[in-house]
Amino acid sequence: QKEVEQDPGPLSVPEGAIVSLNCTYSNSAFQYFMWYRQYSRKGPELLMYTYSSGNKEDGRFTAQVDKSSKYISLFIRDSQPSDSATYLCAMGVNNFNKFYFGSGTKLNVKP
Amino acid sequence: IAGITQAPTSQILAAGRRMTLRCTQDMRHNAMYWYRQDLGLGLRLIHYSNTAGTTGKGEVPDGYSVSRANTDDFPLTLASAVPSQTSVYFCASSDSASGSPDTQYFGPGTRLTVL
Repeated sequence: QKEVEQDPGPLSVPEGAIVSLNCTYSNSAFQYFMWYRQYSRKGPELLMYTYSSGNKEDGRFTAQVDKSSKYISLFIRDSQPSDSATYLCAMGVNNFNKFYFGSGTKLNVKP
Repeated sequence: IAGITQAPTSQILAAGRRMTLRCTQDMRHNAMYWYRQDLGLGLRLIHYSNTAGTTGKGEVPDGYSVSRANTDDFPLTLASAVPSQTSVYFCASSDSASGSPDTQYFGPGTRLTVL
């Protein structure tokens, strides 16, 4: 079983839609939960991270962590064509050397 | 400010050849990492270095070696390339002393094809 599971998509939505991206994980020791955005032929860039459980909001983006269900989500409000990218979740315990990444969900926002 | 640079951008390599992927950062980050990204498997850690002079093995280290002679450079060497090493390789760095993952930055990647 992989440490982190993520639906690869692709997910196609119209501009302005609310997008929900999700990951599940198996290791209950994970404390750091990250979301990265990766444009085609580029390196990943960190969007948001949360420590332990709870929600975190940054503009149109909201990250949620449910440790009891081992489930994390990223919501994108008022999605824009510029949000079209692959979104990677990642998580770790408290050691940066041991981040585990999901395989990524490809998102396409249609104008 | 360049951040992290990687070279080459892409490379086609014959099996059995030796290859070194270069990575340089100018942020004075203490920690550096090498990942490979494969379709359906996401990013997997190959090797890491917490500080100059130290290195450690990640999830998929076999067939790869690294060195960290100074803070800025972290080359990855494939001693004898095999087709299964065809992948996109990303170098990353972070200020791990900060206690927060939001200092991790990735380079633009090297696309390697081993024939």
